[in-house]
Amino acid sequence: QVQLVQSGADVKKPGASVKISCKAAGYTFTTYALHWVRQAPGQRLEWMGWLNTGDGRTKYSQKFQGRVAITRDTSATTAYIELTSLTSEDTALYYCAREVRYYGSGNFYWDAFDVWGQGTMVTVSS
Amino acid sequence: QSVLTQPPSVSGAPGQRVTISCTGTSSNIGGGYDVVWYQQLPGTAPKVLIYGSFYRPSGVPDRFSGSKSGTSASLAITGLQADDEADYYCQSYDNGLSGCWVFGGGTKLTVL
Repeated sequence: QVQLVQSGADVKKPGASVKISCKAAGYTFTTYALHWVRQAPGQRLEWMGWLNTGDGRTKYSQKFQGRVAITRDTSATTAYIELTSLTSEDTALYYCAREVRYYGSGNFYWDAFDVWGQGTMVTVSS
Repeated sequence: QSVLTQPPSVSGAPGQRVTISCTGTSSNIGGGYDVVWYQQLPGTAPKVLIYGSFYRPSGVPDRFSGSKSGTSASLAITGLQADDEADYYCQSYDNGLSGCWVFGGGTKLTVL
């Protein structure tokens, strides 16, 4: 069964860091890119960054540049996101999501996030 | 970071048709980037309903359809059912700044 299983909820103090894991199962880990998306209470989904699971390349949203890092351990089929200098505005449900490529005729293709983790709630509070 | 604009809520009676709009800019939808629509049931992760603005993954009923024109896209749901009640999000790629994926604010569908 294809699934992404994330680490459990966490509570952090302002200024601290948090590291969330996302373990892939049921497919070849290095075949699909992974993204991290968060959702603050009552807010929209917000894209944070992307990981090429094959070669480790990353791309981050400019909003989080400098305080986010996405890494992977291919032997453990697990991706990680670490966010530093936490504030109350980082309180959110964090998701990892697999990027799938749908192919059409010719050279057409389209990307979407087809498998999501269950989400990890991070609460930042003093 | 550019965002996509959706109505906060829509509603319809069982069996009716509803549409949800998603308005972007020239750096995302209007720039030729396609739209993905997700359905998020309460307490669950999002599920792909439409990709490439128009196409349904296998397993998604043909009651769901997508369209795109200019800087906007729409999701139509026909034959409304009670279990369609959920939040719906649009997503596209934005080439502003360094490029990123962007989401709409979400639309809460209520089946009356």
